[in-house]
Amino acid sequence: DVKVTQSSRYLVKRTGEKVFLECVQDMDHENMFWYRQDPGLGLRLIYFSYDVKMKEKGDIPEGYSVSREKKERFSLILESASTNQTSMYLCASRLGGGNIQYFGAGTRLSVL
Amino acid sequence: KQEVTQIPAALSVPEGENLVLNCSFTDSAIYNLQWFRQDPGKGLTSLLLIQSSQREQTSGRLNASLDKSSGRSTLYIAASQPGDSATYLCAVDSWGKLQFGAGTQVVVTP
Repeated sequence: DVKVTQSSRYLVKRTGEKVFLECVQDMDHENMFWYRQDPGLGLRLIYFSYDVKMKEKGDIPEGYSVSREKKERFSLILESASTNQTSMYLCASRLGGGNIQYFGAGTRLSVL
Repeated sequence: KQEVTQIPAALSVPEGENLVLNCSFTDSAIYNLQWFRQDPGKGLTSLLLIQSSQREQTSGRLNASLDKSSGRSTLYIAASQPGDSATYLCAVDSWGKLQFGAGTQVVVTP
């Protein structure tokens, strides 16, 4: 079974903190994605990566950055957390274009 | 820009009834369409993927159809069970990225 593992289920951070959300997949997938999910707004793509050291902006990249130094790991970084970044964050991966996308369990981040 | 719509937003049915969930999209230039299930507070689980060249895909009690020319997909769940209660999302793969609908929240009552 494909496994996409997000490092934390719940996180509470203070405004202005630097926050790292980690995602690891065990299936040698090329593509990895970060989404946020908010009530009434649905799933929105923040950043994605087609391969190691590659990254592309999604629909809402402002306030976020990403890192993909190894194929299996894709990190989302909030440089200076703000309250409007309180959300559910979902990581996903897939083998390549046109293939099933697998999701992690999600990280619920609260920024106080 | 691709827009994906799911109607209805919520649905409640008694156990045993068949479920019909609708998904429509505005741009027919798609690679595939995926249906996902999401339980409260959890991630998404892939149910079915239909390639753009296919008309339907089946897995157990689930059947999904795709009419690319009219921009529509339908997910049928036969003989619903309380365990089918969840939010169902469709997502269209356009230009290498998934565009999601807002989902249909389903409640199956015993």
